This record gives sequence, structure tokens and C-alpha cells, in this order.
Amino acid sequence: DTEVTQTPKHLVMGMTNKKSLKCEQHMGHRAMYWYKQKAKKPPELMFVYSYEKLSINESVPSRFSPECPNSSLLNLHLHALQPEDSALYLCASSHPSRAQGDTDTQYFGPGTRLTVL
Amino acid sequence: AQSVAQPEDQVNVAEGNPLTVKCTYSVSGNPYLFWYVQYPNRGLQFLLKYITGDNLVKGSYGFEAEFNKSQTSFHLKKPSALVSDSALYFCAVRRSGYSSASKIIFGSGTRLSIRP
Repeated sequence: DTEVTQTPKHLVMGMTNKKSLKCEQHMGHRAMYWYKQKAKKPPELMFVYSYEKLSINESVPSRFSPECPNSSLLNLHLHALQPEDSALYLCASSHPSRAQGDTDTQYFGPGTRLTVL
Repeated sequence: AQSVAQPEDQVNVAEGNPLTVKCTYSVSGNPYLFWYVQYPNRGLQFLLKYITGDNLVKGSYGFEAEFNKSQTSFHLKKPSALVSDSALYFCAVRRSGYSSASKIIFGSGTRLSIRP
């Protein structure tokens, strides 16, 4: 089973709203990722959690706040977003590689389509 | 620094013909290479990966990719295209070695269009 689930599928919010995106995986993966993807562009890495600790923050504005409550869940809290933040937000997970020759293939969820009005 | 180039924005192929989607990479050390496919309004689906060993890697849906170290390429291929293969394809790379959480670099993507 290589399933990553994301909720909601679609989200429309105003610039003053607070909302959250949720991601869940039950593959025992200990690395989880948030990406932002604009139309017809490659995904852009936002955050990486490794063993429930934030390990990479790609200089993302503070209006995006990640949270990893446990090894299966990853949240992205949104507050005071701008219209240019409208995009597809993708979550991914992977096993950490432990030896030369291992790979930590990332498996992606279906994404949340966010529209900021 | 790591980078990936997909030189073609779009590839058009007739159904039943072979297809190739090109990818070249730059990475220090040995690469781990990946291909992902994305259907409209969907997440990325993992197709295949190269770690080490046999240069020809077989993946999902009849796709395969050939690793060429001298040309630093990892082209995606399929002997006979289907209309359902029409999608956006991403090549990705990261440097081999241990990492608790990797940062992979994606190419710009190639839109594959298969005409009936």
C-alpha cells in the first residue's frame, strides 16, 4: 500500500481566514513533505519533517505553518494568505534511507486545490 | 549543485508508436533518478527509479528508462504508446547516500500527448 491521503480536495478561502490542510499516511514512513505546485510547473518544496521534527524549511512565509502531530499525520496551517498562494498543495512521504543503496522514494498524495480570494 | 533538464515542453506521439521523454541531470557523485507522472488535477505517481546496477529500469504501466552515465541522461521510454499515457511527466534527481529526508530536484516537466 503506497497511499497518502489529503483533505480537503478543494478549499476556497478569503485572505483573512484561517484554515488547515491535512495529510495522512500509514506506510510507516518517517519523512513527510509539503510541496506547492502551480499549474504546469514542477512541485516546489516547502517543508520536510523527519522523525516528526522539522528538518527543512525552504524560506516559506510565516503565513504557512506546518505541524507534525505524530508519525502518520502532517498538517499545514494557513493564515492571512494572498491570492498568489492559490495552487495545488501536495503532501508526500518516504522511508528514510539507512544505507548506501537505499532510496527514499517519495510517494505523493492527490493534493489539495487551494483558491485564495 | 543538483539540476535536472527536460528539454522538451511537449512530446506528441501517435498511438501504438514508441515514445521517448528526455531527461538529463547534473549531480555530484552518483545519482538516484526518478520518473513521476501527473494526470490533470492529481498528485504525482511514482513510475520508476534508478539506484544502481542494470542501466535499463522497468517500471509501472509498461514504462522503462535507460540510465546513461556518460551522457548523464535518464530517458523515459515505452515501446507502444496508449492514449491513456497522455499526462505530465517529471524527471527528478538526488545525490545517493544516506539521508533522513531527501530533497529531490524536479525537472520542468514534459507534457506527453498521444493522438489516436
